[in-house]
Amino acid sequence: GNSVTQMEGPVTLSEEAFLTINCTYTATGYPSLFWYVQYPGEGLQLLLKATKADDKGSNKGFEATYRKETTSFHLEKGSVQVSDSAVYFCALNVNTGFQKLVFGTGTRLLVSP
Amino acid sequence: GAVVSQHPSWVICKSGTSVKIECRSLDFQATTMFWYRQFPKQSLMLMATSNEGSKATYEQGVEKDKFLINHASLTLSTLTVTSAHPEDSSFYICSARELAGGWDEQYFGPGTRLTVT
Repeated sequence: GNSVTQMEGPVTLSEEAFLTINCTYTATGYPSLFWYVQYPGEGLQLLLKATKADDKGSNKGFEATYRKETTSFHLEKGSVQVSDSAVYFCALNVNTGFQKLVFGTGTRLLVSP
Repeated sequence: GAVVSQHPSWVICKSGTSVKIECRSLDFQATTMFWYRQFPKQSLMLMATSNEGSKATYEQGVEKDKFLINHASLTLSTLTVTSAHPEDSSFYICSARELAGGWDEQYFGPGTRLTVT
């Protein structure tokens, strides 16, 4: 079946530290991959996405590369800020035509000043 | 970006009663809306896919008679939890798909916390 595995949190970092949140997936076919972010009290927002192997998605200093050989889509940021504190979800689209998403369990990021 | 609202944001109800949750796309038309359930420290679990004007498609293991979904218009979908029990307590999240002119995106509501006593 289709599934997404994320590293467990919380991830606690100091401001300006380097961030990596691991994500691996299992899928039939060739899924699109997504990172969503959920700030406290808000809905999930699309952070970035990649639709095919070797694509790199990037937004707000975050980036992730679609690695087919390792079935991974790790999220990285070179220098985190306190405002990046949120829950990050990795997801894949099984491409049924309705954007049916399969999510990982989410990773909470806490950035301290 | 497009905005999806949910109402109420939280609700407490007694066991055996029914509760309705609304999901609205505020500035776009959504032919497809999704309903998810999220347990603490767990992933979002897709419950059903709702298409405007047709019956919802439920995921395996989701009781369609318990979780009634109505997608009456292009901007509104409702989820009714019937005869709620404490095990139905959860965080319910909807999303709406905007598909227009080559643009294809899914936007999420802020969620509704349901507590059944």
